[in-house]
Amino acid sequence: DGGITQSPKYLFRKEGQNVTLSCEQNLNHDAMYWYRQDPGQGLRLIYYSQIVNDFQKGDIAEGYSVSREKKESFPLTVTSAQKNPTAFYLCASSIAGTNYGYTFGSGTRLTVV
Amino acid sequence: EDQVTQSPEALRLQEGESSSLNCSYTVSGLRGLFWYRQDPGKGPEFLFTLYSAGEEKEKERLKATLTKKESFLHITAPKPEDSATYLCAVTTGGYNKLIFGAGTRLAVHP
Repeated sequence: DGGITQSPKYLFRKEGQNVTLSCEQNLNHDAMYWYRQDPGQGLRLIYYSQIVNDFQKGDIAEGYSVSREKKESFPLTVTSAQKNPTAFYLCASSIAGTNYGYTFGSGTRLTVV
Repeated sequence: EDQVTQSPEALRLQEGESSSLNCSYTVSGLRGLFWYRQDPGKGPEFLFTLYSAGEEKEKERLKATLTKKESFLHITAPKPEDSATYLCAVTTGGYNKLIFGAGTRLAVHP
């Protein structure tokens, strides 16, 4: 079955450490997205990519980095520059263009310890 | 600035007690409005897409409607398994960026 796989489900980060969240899709979607979800707030866009080897910053990109070397993969790195990284991270994909909804992964919960 | 507001923040219903969730939006040129369901600790699951005022979509006990300023998600005779957070999102075109509301947490009690 086609879908989006995020791993790991839970991740713990020490202060000053970089961590990478994995996102893989087999839906043949061109566009992929990373969102952050905090309690009581809507999903906020971190980065998005419409084609391989190209990506753009979203509304809250500071402290994060991404790569898009393959159509199927869009990993997110949370760097030590992100001062409040504890959150639920969601990866999504869609057909490129307008008016299409997203398919979401099951999320990664990141906690700073 | 494009904005999506959902109300109420939380809603508690008895099983069988019908109600509606609201999603109001202020955007420059709506291209589509989306409803998602999210269970705790999971990713959102797509429910409906609405494109123009007057449009309606139905799925089991859920019915979504759209006007020029807001959308409603009507829940008829809800069951405990309908308990979840319901998210509303809009797209205004461009690169298909979805702007999300904060969601409504629905609890249906037997």
